[in-house]
Amino acid sequence: GENVEQHPSTLSVQEGDSAVIKCTYSDSASNYFPWYKQELGKRPQLIIDIRSNVGEKKDQRIAVTLNKTAKHFSLHITETQPEDSAVYFCAAHYSGAGSYQLTFGKGTKLSVIP
Amino acid sequence: DAGVTQSPTHLIKTRGQQVTLRCSPISGHKSVSWYQQVLGQGPQFIFQYYEKEERGRGNFPDRFSARQFPNYSSELNVNALLLGDSALYLCASYAAGVGDTEAFFGQGTRLTVV
Repeated sequence: GENVEQHPSTLSVQEGDSAVIKCTYSDSASNYFPWYKQELGKRPQLIIDIRSNVGEKKDQRIAVTLNKTAKHFSLHITETQPEDSAVYFCAAHYSGAGSYQLTFGKGTKLSVIP
Repeated sequence: DAGVTQSPTHLIKTRGQQVTLRCSPISGHKSVSWYQQVLGQGPQFIFQYYEKEERGRGNFPDRFSARQFPNYSSELNVNALLLGDSALYLCASYAAGVGDTEAFFGQGTRLTVV
């Protein structure tokens, strides 16, 4: 089955700096890669996603890159703000024939220091 | 528009007991998945149902079972509870149309086994 590794497990940055979280996956059939933000006691919320036919996607301060050959994808947050502090999860998913099974990384706790 | 709703939000059970968790997907969504999130870890896939049929099962013992009803709501049952079953149980719904891959998570049910 799919295996997703996520690094680092914790990350502290100064407000205004950039943060980068990296993930690798094992199953070359995976074709959808979402990133979730989870605040304490709350549900995971999708912040950005990328499909295997795209190499990069941006949404304001957030960007995701995907390297299919190396089987890794990364989340980039620029101009970090204190409200970006949360746990971030990457996930990988093969979407096809009604299959919706996300495999998550173990998470990165991001702390943005004012 | 109601999102994914789960009930109950919290419950406490004793070892050996049985528990039923409930999930109502977003109106029009035909697929539901269940995940277990142990404190400090990423969500782990338990089951996926699509059009009332089981489409996937994660690496969980037979004490875990689920079903999906004609209205696409779902129940997760756990028998013979162990202390290690204490976790946040998340339900995710999917539109399951062509190209629909985003998972919408409910707020979760926090299960504590004592």
